[in-house]
Amino acid sequence: EVQLVQSGAEVKKPGESLKISCKGSGYSFTSYWIGWVRQMPGKGLEWMGIIYPGDSDTRYSPSFQGQVTISADKSISTAYLQWSSLKASDTAMYYCTRYPLGGYTHPDYWGQGTLVTVSS
Amino acid sequence: QSALTQPPSASGSPGQSVTISCTGTSSDVGGYNYVSWYQQHPGKAPKLMIYEVSKRPSGVPDRFSGSKSGNTASLTVSGLQAEDEADYYCSSYAGSTVVFGGGTKLTVL
Repeated sequence: EVQLVQSGAEVKKPGESLKISCKGSGYSFTSYWIGWVRQMPGKGLEWMGIIYPGDSDTRYSPSFQGQVTISADKSISTAYLQWSSLKASDTAMYYCTRYPLGGYTHPDYWGQGTLVTVSS
Repeated sequence: QSALTQPPSASGSPGQSVTISCTGTSSDVGGYNYVSWYQQHPGKAPKLMIYEVSKRPSGVPDRFSGSKSGNTASLTVSGLQAEDEADYYCSSYAGSTVVFGGGTKLTVL
């Protein structure tokens, strides 16, 4: 059974750094793209970017390029989403998503979500 | 790139059918047969309902169907049930990224 288990909720102050995680299991972690989707409070889904753990090839939405860093550690089947300096507008639920074999046409599995709250 | 356009709301009575549209451009919806639909209940993660325009993952009732014409894709829910009340999002592959629609709140009257 494919599972994506994300790290717990975070409360941070503006300007702080943060790295959240997503551990994949039940499939070959290095063979599937994995990525992140943002959902701001009461709003829709926004595609942030993805990484192919096999070779660390990474793609970003133009809206998130330079704002976050996506990485993966294939030795522990875990993907990460990282901020160097959080803003209040980063407050959102972040979902880890896996893509089908062979490409990244659509997320097929979703993690449970990690709520990030940024407030002074 | 811009989000795909969905109506903010849709509704129907139990047993009826409802169709939700998703309009994009030739760079996304119209350019690829990679439109997907997701159901999201309050406080839950989205769930894949339709992929590659009209394919259903295992376990998704056949009451859910998808189609596409030009730059517009559609999700039809037939035989509406109370548990179908949720937010629905379309998505499309767009060449090097994926783009989502703004979401449609489906109300079962």
